[in-house]
Order: sequence, then C-alpha cells, then structure tokens
Amino acid sequence: AQSVTQLGSHVSVSEGALVLLRCNYSSSVPPYLFWYVQYPNQGLQLLLKYTSAATLVKGINGFEAEFKKSETSFHLTKPSAHMSDAAEYFCAVKRSTNAGKSTFGDGTTLTVKP
Amino acid sequence: DAGVIQSPRHEVTEMGQEVTLRCKPISGHDYLFWYRQTMMRGLELLIYFNNNVPIDDSGMPEDRFSAKMPNASFSTLKIQPSEPRDSAVYFCASSSRQVTEAFFGQGTRLTVV
Repeated sequence: AQSVTQLGSHVSVSEGALVLLRCNYSSSVPPYLFWYVQYPNQGLQLLLKYTSAATLVKGINGFEAEFKKSETSFHLTKPSAHMSDAAEYFCAVKRSTNAGKSTFGDGTTLTVKP
Repeated sequence: DAGVIQSPRHEVTEMGQEVTLRCKPISGHDYLFWYRQTMMRGLELLIYFNNNVPIDDSGMPEDRFSAKMPNASFSTLKIQPSEPRDSAVYFCASSSRQVTEAFFGQGTRLTVV
C-alpha cells in the first residue's frame, strides 16, 4: 500500500520569499515520487520527479525537492516566490515495481502576495 | 505529440441524461487513467487501463458510471443517468512503463442541472 500526506492545504507567502510545501509518503517498496502543479482551469503538469537516482531533484520554474528516506519526506522548495507560482500543487507516490497508478495527496494551494 | 486530448472541454446536461466523455491518450502510452476532481473530494482515481484492459475500477462511484477502451488511442467514460452530484472536472491521463509520470489532459468540466 502507498499513501501521501501533504501538510497544509493552503500556504501563503510574499513575493520573493521562500516557498516550502511539505509532503510525506508511505510505501511498502521503493517509491517513485512526483510533484505536479495545476493552474486554474488546466490539467496537472509535472514539476519534477524522483526515480531512485539523485536524491535532490531539480524541476521546472526553479523548484526542487529532496528525497529523504529516513524522514519519508519529499518536500518541495523554491528560494524566491513569483506571482506566477500561485497554483495548486500535488505530491504523488508510485511503487517503483509497478508502472500503474499513482496515489495523489490532497493538494496544497499556494498564494503569493505582492 | 499534441498531448492527451479530451472532449468536450465543457458539458452542461440535465439530470437523467446520458453523458459521454472522450479521451485520446499520447501515442505509445499503454496506461490510461480517468480521474474526477471536486472541491469536496479532491482528485479521485476512477479507473485505469493497461493495454486497453481495465485493471482497477474500484474508484468508480456506482453502476451509473462505465468506462471503455476499445483501442489504444481512444477511451470513453459514460454516466447514465447523470445526477447533479456528478458535477465535477473529469481528467484523463496516460503514461507508460518507460515514462514514469502521468500526462494529463485539460479536463472536461461537467455540470449536471
């Protein structure tokens, strides 16, 4: 079984401030981990993914995430928030032994204040 | 590739009517997923296919919902009869063993009045 917990359904930061979105997972086998972003009236698109290579993963738009096995975490960060980062962010986990479905978290809505 | 293509983008229908949502996955992808997104329940997996065969339909709400994948390039999600509580955004996504992440379509916003 696998599951994802995103801490905080809403996060608000000022433009230029650090963005930190938290994700903890559970998985009975080595996981693949993903962060997706959803802008209003659009589908989800991949920000970055961890597939058992480097534990620090860099994605699009300046985002990065670090896989920490000991903490079962995969938190998403960005050093300096832009207004255009305002969106909903989803963490997802998939078993590396199964190319099938991913399990998604409940999502975190990021608001960026001017 | 044009990505995952869903149609229609918006659908408004009356309660009791049949609704059919359509999806064309990315060519070469052998997994196809149908999701439903609402404010109350978030993103829910309804059903997924591998090589056109349904693998897990445990998320399908009830018998009013059915999904088919007659070939590798087309899938449908049908609701019959539709009810107001079915109002949601329905997403189709595809992936493959070689491409670990899912690629999502733009979604179909369904409103049942």
